[in-house]
Amino acid sequence: AQSVSQHNHHVILSEAASLELGCNYSYGGTVNLFWYVQYPGQHLQLLLKYFSGDPLVKGIKGFEAEFIKSKFSFNLRKPSVQWSDTAEYFCAVILTGTASKLTFGTGTRLQVTL
Amino acid sequence: DGGITQSPKYLFRKEGQNVTLSCEQNLNHDAMYWYRQDPGQGLRLIYYSQIVNDFQKGDIAEGYSVSREKKESFPLTVTSAQKNPTAFYLCASSMEGDTLYTEAFFGQGTRLTVV
Repeated sequence: AQSVSQHNHHVILSEAASLELGCNYSYGGTVNLFWYVQYPGQHLQLLLKYFSGDPLVKGIKGFEAEFIKSKFSFNLRKPSVQWSDTAEYFCAVILTGTASKLTFGTGTRLQVTL
Repeated sequence: DGGITQSPKYLFRKEGQNVTLSCEQNLNHDAMYWYRQDPGQGLRLIYYSQIVNDFQKGDIAEGYSVSREKKESFPLTVTSAQKNPTAFYLCASSMEGDTLYTEAFFGQGTRLTVV
């Protein structure tokens, strides 16, 4: 079955620390990849997405992610986190040609301390 | 403003009652979805619809029903057959075609509590 794995369930970092959140998927075909963020009390919003081209994609608020096809991974990174990055982060994958089956990982709760 | 509106934000129901959650979008999107969010389980797809008058089951459709009579609306009914209905429900929409998929836009969610 198709699946998306986020191995870090809860991450606690101090401000200015670097962040890397893992995301792996099990699809065999061509994929589109997404990272969504859910700030406390707010709706899910898109951080960044990969459809094709440069595997290193940059999103909002200084986030970036790298698509490594050979590793089936799409890890999210930020060089220096801020307290305002405290949120839950979700990786999502869709297999191209199978529209509507957007599958999410279980999410990673990031807590940034001052 | 364009967006997705879910109502109500909070909903309480007695066990054994059916309840319908509303989702309306004015983005002119073809596709609409319902997800359920539970702590530690991420978002799980309940139902989705690519066009009016058509919808498909997602991964956890049992105990739920939907309709898509209008492009803008995709209501979800949580029936009494759903064994654990208390959850946070998210509606989303996106542009879509055979090979085109854009990002999904989400509503603010409805928190359903069954007592």
